[in-house]
Amino acid sequence: QSALTQPPSASGSPGQSVTISCTGSASDIGFSNYVSWYQQHPGKAPKPIIYQVTKRPSGVPDRFSGSKSGNTASLTVSGLQAEDEADYFCSSYRSSYGGNNNRVVFGGGTKLTVL
Amino acid sequence: EVQLVQSGAEVKKAGESLKISCKASGYTFTSSWIGWVRQVPGKGLEWMGFIYPGDSDTRYSPSFQGQVTISADKSTTTASLQWSRLKASDTAVYYCVRVRDGDYSDFDYWGQGTLVTVSS
Repeated sequence: QSALTQPPSASGSPGQSVTISCTGSASDIGFSNYVSWYQQHPGKAPKPIIYQVTKRPSGVPDRFSGSKSGNTASLTVSGLQAEDEADYFCSSYRSSYGGNNNRVVFGGGTKLTVL
Repeated sequence: EVQLVQSGAEVKKAGESLKISCKASGYTFTSSWIGWVRQVPGKGLEWMGFIYPGDSDTRYSPSFQGQVTISADKSTTTASLQWSRLKASDTAVYYCVRVRDGDYSDFDYWGQGTLVTVSS
């Protein structure tokens, strides 16, 4: 069982928007703005697409956007394209306050299907 | 250009030892955390731990503490992940990752992955 909770699947038609949620706790997502999202195509290494909640690495289209409210982060993919079909994982820094040394936690992943 | 190039796939038997490596280039190796992420086939990502090569400060996930050893060689700019006794449950793809400068948990560069297959 993953530390962060994501829906196992999401879908949308080309051109539509889809939002994927990632729910954690006050010790991780709610603790800081160190939330990231990764895109993974089959057989490939994950690719970073969002960091520090809202920032996009160079080269990532602005169709990808991130946000956070309380203990839940979200990834929105606008103007869906066929190549957006992939698995998406969220991650967060987790505070070590309280003795748990689990510094980085991931969500279980969401498979995005472009219909 | 930052690159993380990992060693090739391994097939081992339970109880054997193993060390896989990650050759880093294109940045100052001693100034960034570098670590490992596990992905069991068909499953999600799990952070294992990372090391700061500048002073060898190492942090492990509680799930992997005592099960693996992470090390770094400054002279060859290579990070390594080591097992003393493999288990069938260690079968997975292992990714080498670099922590983004100024961040604590974002991995801005990933290696190509090393598939480790352990038979019982």
